[in-house]
Amino acid sequence: DIQMTQSPSAMSASVGDRVTITCRASQALYDYLAWFQQKPGKAPKRLIYAASTLQSGVPSRFSGSGSGTEFTLTISSLQPEDSATYFCLQHNNYPYTFGQGTKLEIK
Amino acid sequence: QVQLQESGPGLVRPSGTLSLTCVVSAGSINSHWWTWVRQPPGRGLEWIGEINPSGTTNYNPSLKSRISMSVDKSESQFSLKLNSMTAGDTAVYYCARMISGEGIDYWGQGTLVTVSS
Repeated sequence: DIQMTQSPSAMSASVGDRVTITCRASQALYDYLAWFQQKPGKAPKRLIYAASTLQSGVPSRFSGSGSGTEFTLTISSLQPEDSATYFCLQHNNYPYTFGQGTKLEIK
Repeated sequence: QVQLQESGPGLVRPSGTLSLTCVVSAGSINSHWWTWVRQPPGRGLEWIGEINPSGTTNYNPSLKSRISMSVDKSESQFSLKLNSMTAGDTAVYYCARMISGEGIDYWGQGTLVTVSS
């Protein structure tokens, strides 16, 4: 199985900060990597697919980058509503696997 | 937009079989792949498997011996069965739509399944 190592597992940042979350894969994924946001009790919401394509309707402060084995989700200017858990999904190889998640809190 | 809704029992006895159904609305079940994912309390997400409209499946090898999936296009729904349930199978179970090349786009709200006597 492809292992997805996501970091950090938790973080706290202030409104307006630039935030970066990373997923590292144990094997190359090309660009078969998606990012999701999940708030408590809610279904996950896709933010980014194909590593860097912004999902329609998602604010442009969210961006994704990377290819191969290292991928990054960036929030350029953190907003209060961005408090959530973020996780990545690789769908290049079966079984598909997820990062362990990053819990982002607003200071 | 596409909506998915899981249904099934919230409690399953140890050694019992879990049966979950996911109804797809505001979208066609006749294309894409239809996926099950679970998340044990306080832990990460685990991909269980997927099925396409033709009934072709791909399962997680860690669960393959215990799972089966089916699709009912006439009812616009797909289903998961997981047998020999243990406490380790306690989790929130999600159904989702998978688009080839793009990954999961839509998720259901999730349903908590507890394994307990």
